[in-house]
Amino acid sequence: AQSVTQLDSHVSVSEGTPVLLRCNYSSSYSPSLFWYVQHPNKGLQLLLKYTSAATLVKGINGFEAEFKKSETSFHLTKPSAHMSDAAEYFCANNAGNMLTFGGGTRLMVKP
Amino acid sequence: DTGVSQNPRHKITKRGQNVTFRCDPISEHNRLYWYRQTLGQGPEFLTYFQNEAQLEKSRLLSDRFSAERPKGSFSTLEIQRTEQGDSAMYLCASSFPRVDLSDTQYFGPGTRLTVL
Repeated sequence: AQSVTQLDSHVSVSEGTPVLLRCNYSSSYSPSLFWYVQHPNKGLQLLLKYTSAATLVKGINGFEAEFKKSETSFHLTKPSAHMSDAAEYFCANNAGNMLTFGGGTRLMVKP
Repeated sequence: DTGVSQNPRHKITKRGQNVTFRCDPISEHNRLYWYRQTLGQGPEFLTYFQNEAQLEKSRLLSDRFSAERPKGSFSTLEIQRTEQGDSAMYLCASSFPRVDLSDTQYFGPGTRLTVL
């Protein structure tokens, strides 16, 4: 069975401080992992994806994620948060022609 | 604009009415997906097409739901006899796995359905 767990439903950081959004997965197959961002009343925008070419993946807007097979994790990080990063973030696994999503993490950025 | 487009963006209807949503994928993408997202949750898979063939349907897709992609281009999702529980954001995505082996899905802006 495939599942994706986002460990924090809400994360609050101050502008300029690091961001860590946690994601764990369970997959019978070699995972194909994605991070998407969703701003209010908008669709999902692709941030980055893991495709087994490299364990550290760089995405847009300064985000990156590290795939750790031993920990079944794919955590999203950013060195310095910006006010515009405030949004909902979703981790997903492509498990056989469909994406299985985590429950999402709402990132709040305080000035 | 070469992204995925969806229409309408918002739909308010009364319980028992039928509604239809349209999705236009990125032009060269042969796969098209429908997801449903309720408030505070991650999207859930409903169904997907490869060209005009509907290859997989979730158990979430009850008999009141039907999706089509008649010419392998745009797709429609119809909900008959809407219920208040159908209120959600309906998201469409497309991909082109023959070129992108990771089968990255690109999403449209969604259609928000409110059933009164």
